[in-house]
Amino acid sequence: DAGVTQSPTHLIKTRGQQVTLRCSPKSGHDTVSWYQQALGQGPQFIFQYYEEEERQRGNFPDRFSGHQFPNYSSELNVNALLLGDSALYLCASSLGGRNQPQHFGDGTRLSIL
Amino acid sequence: AQKITQTQPGMFVQEKEAVTLDCTYDTSDPSYGLFWYKQPSSGEMIFLIYQGSYDQQNATEGRYSLNFQKARKSANLVISASQLGDSAMYFCAMREGLIEGTAAGNKLTFGGGTRVLVKP
Repeated sequence: DAGVTQSPTHLIKTRGQQVTLRCSPKSGHDTVSWYQQALGQGPQFIFQYYEEEERQRGNFPDRFSGHQFPNYSSELNVNALLLGDSALYLCASSLGGRNQPQHFGDGTRLSIL
Repeated sequence: AQKITQTQPGMFVQEKEAVTLDCTYDTSDPSYGLFWYKQPSSGEMIFLIYQGSYDQQNATEGRYSLNFQKARKSANLVISASQLGDSAMYFCAMREGLIEGTAAGNKLTFGGGTRVLVKP
């Protein structure tokens, strides 16, 4: 039973570029959430996708966008990268509307130079 | 106000001893869930234990137990018989307003974490 998988593992970009991160949810899960974790801090909620629509959004600018595909996998896109976007990006999956824990992937570590 | 507060930035614990990690939360929603996650240096967030706001008994999962004091809005994690592999960051998180059958209320709000180092 495959867990949540994220790609790539590490990524280095420069300011102003754009990036796409990918996530495949745990088998049987239909909801994907994205979190940003800066060094030494707890994760911050970016947004959540369910039934291919953004259902909830945290306090992040429009430079952060996403997509969910019919197979429930998801992408996180960040445009016009800033130095402050350097962080670990975590994807979590769950079964929508069920009182069960979210399962996290290993994350993508994004470094902005 | 912080929704989730973890006041202990770091702790040392002797191997085989128990350790309590503090977590207080703030919500006006009567329906919420509290979670604890472990994050080793590799980065993955590992789910440990869950407590629902309507649960009558404290949650337990193996060596992990949750001391849930609803009136005080605290949900402390107790790790018994600490092992070297327990060295990691520990995060308390809350989910508010879950509505069964929808995705509403699924987002997690995390505290700042507590780093635990287990000494041999």
